[in-house]
Amino acid sequence: GAVVSQHPSWVICKSGTSVKIECRSLDFQATTMFWYRQFPKQSLMLMATSNEGSKATYEQGVEKDKFLINHASLTLSTLTVTSAHPEDSSFYICSATQGGTEAFFGQGTRLTVV
Amino acid sequence: AQTVTQSQPEMSVQEAETVTLSCTYDTSESNYYLFWYKQPPSRQMILVIRQEAYKQQNATENRFSVNFQKAAKSFSLKISDSQLGDTAMYFCAFMYYNAGNMLTFGGGTRLMVKP
Repeated sequence: GAVVSQHPSWVICKSGTSVKIECRSLDFQATTMFWYRQFPKQSLMLMATSNEGSKATYEQGVEKDKFLINHASLTLSTLTVTSAHPEDSSFYICSATQGGTEAFFGQGTRLTVV
Repeated sequence: AQTVTQSQPEMSVQEAETVTLSCTYDTSESNYYLFWYKQPPSRQMILVIRQEAYKQQNATENRFSVNFQKAAKSFSLKISDSQLGDTAMYFCAFMYYNAGNMLTFGGGTRLMVKP
């Protein structure tokens, strides 16, 4: 199957700093990428949908200025957590699709804000 | 908006036995897809099985099969001959047809396979 690489796998940052998470489709062009947040022992919560070259569509309740999403190419989307605080600590997962029904997931990024 | 409900937060099964995970959903649409995803301790999401709503035949993938009841809006996953490697979180997910591949996930069922 298609491969989606997410980097970094884990990151620790200080409160008030910004962190960038990358999501790359390695062997296909991703028309759409999705960003999810997953709290411990809970399900995946969709944060936003991004299409290459256009602004991301954020789900209700997700702060656009806090979670900046850029989808500059058909193989790369980035999520930047700006001015991170401890409550932003979570597991972030991206997925990518190439137009079919299957979504391919990255391995996730564990963010810890101290 | 559609909702997906998994009523079993946790389940356990003995190795080599069969277990069924439940999932119900709510939608007014007739064209959609349903999925079961597995999330092992590594937290990598893995597609287990997919069902198109327009197909009456239940999907099967080796030891995994579904019981799709469209009228009842039910989509259960049966795991036969359970293996230790099946220990994971299992998520039921819904996708509208032609809706940009956006998935709505259920709350998940934690499955423990015991030796």
